[in-house]
Amino acid sequence: GENVEQHPSTLSVQEGDSAVIKCTYSDSASNYFPWYKQELGKRPQLIIDIRSNVGEKKDQRIAVTLNKTAKHFSLHITETQPEDSAVYFCAANNQAGTALIFGKGTTLSVSS
Amino acid sequence: GAVVSQHPSWVICKSGTSVKIECRSLDFQATTMFWYRQFPKQSLMLMATSNEGSKATYEQGVEKDKFLINHASLTLSTLTVTSAHPEDSSFYICSANEDTGELFFGEGSRLTVL
Repeated sequence: GENVEQHPSTLSVQEGDSAVIKCTYSDSASNYFPWYKQELGKRPQLIIDIRSNVGEKKDQRIAVTLNKTAKHFSLHITETQPEDSAVYFCAANNQAGTALIFGKGTTLSVSS
Repeated sequence: GAVVSQHPSWVICKSGTSVKIECRSLDFQATTMFWYRQFPKQSLMLMATSNEGSKATYEQGVEKDKFLINHASLTLSTLTVTSAHPEDSSFYICSANEDTGELFFGEGSRLTVL
């Protein structure tokens, strides 16, 4: 089945810097790659997603890139703010194309 | 966006008892719902896929007789943790796909087994 690897597990940046989180997936049939932000004790919130027919997508300070050949995708957050501090999860859909398989998460800390 | 509601948000029970968690899609019909489990400081692990009107599909390593799933209608799936033990204490989250394919999560249910 699908396996998603995520790096780094923790990331500390200064306010205003950029943050990059990288994920790789194993199943070449996966075609949907969302990123979630989860604050302590709360449900994951979708922040951006990308499908396999595009290579990059941007929404204000957040962007995601996808390299299908290499089977990796990355989250880029620019001009980070303290409120960006949270755990971020990447995910890829499974073979059936419905359920999501999650990476292990990255704890992002933005200090002011 | 679509709304998925989960109840209860937290529950404390004694070891050996059973606990039922409900997951409802409030403004859309969901033929398929998913149940995840999240231990502290860990990722979301897919437990099972709940299919309306048929048996759930369980992921490897998840005991189907311990985690009973019932998807009786297009808007409701339930997860029953039977004979709960302290190691079952976790954050259980359901999710459902809306027409666009986006996955929406319930609020989560924090189970503590004493």
